[in-house]
Amino acid sequence: DIQMTQSPSYLSASVGDRVTITCQASQDISNYLHWYQQKPGKAPKFLIYDASNLESGVPSRFSGSGSGTDFTFTISSLQPEDFATYYCQHYDNSLLTFGGGTKVEIK
Amino acid sequence: QLVQSGAEVKKPGASVKVSCKASGYTFTVFYMHWVRQAPGQGLEWMGIINPSGGSTSYAQKFQGRVTMTRDTSTSTVYMELNSLRSEDTAVYYCARGGVGANRPLSLWGQGTLVTVSS
Repeated sequence: DIQMTQSPSYLSASVGDRVTITCQASQDISNYLHWYQQKPGKAPKFLIYDASNLESGVPSRFSGSGSGTDFTFTISSLQPEDFATYYCQHYDNSLLTFGGGTKVEIK
Repeated sequence: QLVQSGAEVKKPGASVKVSCKASGYTFTVFYMHWVRQAPGQGLEWMGIINPSGGSTSYAQKFQGRVTMTRDTSTSTVYMELNSLRSEDTAVYYCARGGVGANRPLSLWGQGTLVTVSS
């Protein structure tokens, strides 16, 4: 089974900061990697698909990159509404795996 | 949209069946996943159902304890979890995938809280 290792699990940042989250796969997954945002008490929201493609309506300050085993999710300028938990996700061979999540909190 | 059934309180050893009614798209075209989240924890995938033919695939952790079904006449998918224990207390989500099973989960239900307590 493919494991997804997401880091950091927690980060503290200020409004306007550039924030980067990484997700590492235990084997090559090409670009089949998606990113989600979840706010407390809410269902996750899909942000980025296939590593780097922004879902329609998602602000351009969000971006993703990477392929193979190493992926990056970036918020270019953190806004108050971006404080949330972010997850990476991959599906392969009848198994869907989420990363452990990164909680982004206000410094 | 995806609309899930209401909160449930169950005793250990009981079963729970959560429903997820889809609307606004062709039900049989898109895979449906079930994901759960225990209090304060991350997202945990439970399994996937193909609403077209009804085929399923479950996470190994839930094999033998979970059953996912669908009713095409009402565009509803169901997730039944048996032999409940306290560790199954969680919010359960249905989430629509894509035409392919590896597509992202682009539409989510509102979640159903299942509490297992004696």
